[in-house]
Amino acid sequence: EAQVTQNPRYLITVTGKKLTVTCSQNMNHEYMSWYRQDPGLGLRQIYYSMNVEVTDKGDVPEGYKVSRKEKRNFPLILESPSPNQTSLYFCASSFGQGAGELFFGEGSRLTVL
Amino acid sequence: GQNIDQPTEMTATEGAIVQINCTYQTSGFNGLFWYQQHAGEAPTFLSYNVLDGLEEKGRFSSFLSRSKGYSYLLLKELQMKDSASYLCAVRDQTGGFKTIFGAGTRLFVKA
Repeated sequence: EAQVTQNPRYLITVTGKKLTVTCSQNMNHEYMSWYRQDPGLGLRQIYYSMNVEVTDKGDVPEGYKVSRKEKRNFPLILESPSPNQTSLYFCASSFGQGAGELFFGEGSRLTVL
Repeated sequence: GQNIDQPTEMTATEGAIVQINCTYQTSGFNGLFWYQQHAGEAPTFLSYNVLDGLEEKGRFSSFLSRSKGYSYLLLKELQMKDSASYLCAVRDQTGGFKTIFGAGTRLFVKA
C-alpha cells in the first residue's frame, strides 16, 4: 500500500530535550516536505526537499533541522524544543519536484512542556 | 508576498450545494489544489486546477480564474460525511516548488 509513515504519532516532551520525528514514504517520490498545523493558521511549511541531499527552508524553519540522505526518508529534528513548537506535524511527499498533489502522513502531535 | 483567503466556517444542509471560495496572491503561481481534512486526520487530495475553467470530479467541482486570483470548490448533493475542513493550496514555483495553504474552511453539514 502506498503510504507516508510518521513516527511517533504522539509525543510529550520537555523543553530542551532533542527529538526526531521520522518520515518515510514508499512511493519513490522525489519531493518531501514538513508542515505544522496550528488552529487558525492552517498548514505552514517548515522545510522541503526536492531530492536526495537537496533541502530548503519553508516559511517557518526556525528551531528545526532536516536531512535527506535517502530518497524515502526525511526526518524532522528539533534540537532544543520549546513550548511554541507544540503543534500537529505532517510529513508529505509528491512525485516530480513538487509538481503533483501531496500525499500526507497521519500526523504527529507534539507537546513541549 | 503570498496570501490565501478562504472563509473560516460554512454551514449547509444535507442534499444541498455549497460553494467554498478561495482568493490568492502569489508571485509564481503554478497550480491550485483543494484538499479535504476530516477532524484528527491527514489532508487528502480533492482537485487540481492549473488552467482557467471548471474541473469536475463526481460530486466535487473546482473552478479557477488566474486573472482574478480566484478559485472555488463546489460540492453537490451534500452528505453528512462531507463535514470536514477544506483547504485551498497554491503551488508557487518561485525558487522551487512550494505548496502554500490557506487556513481552511470548516464545513458543517446538517440534516
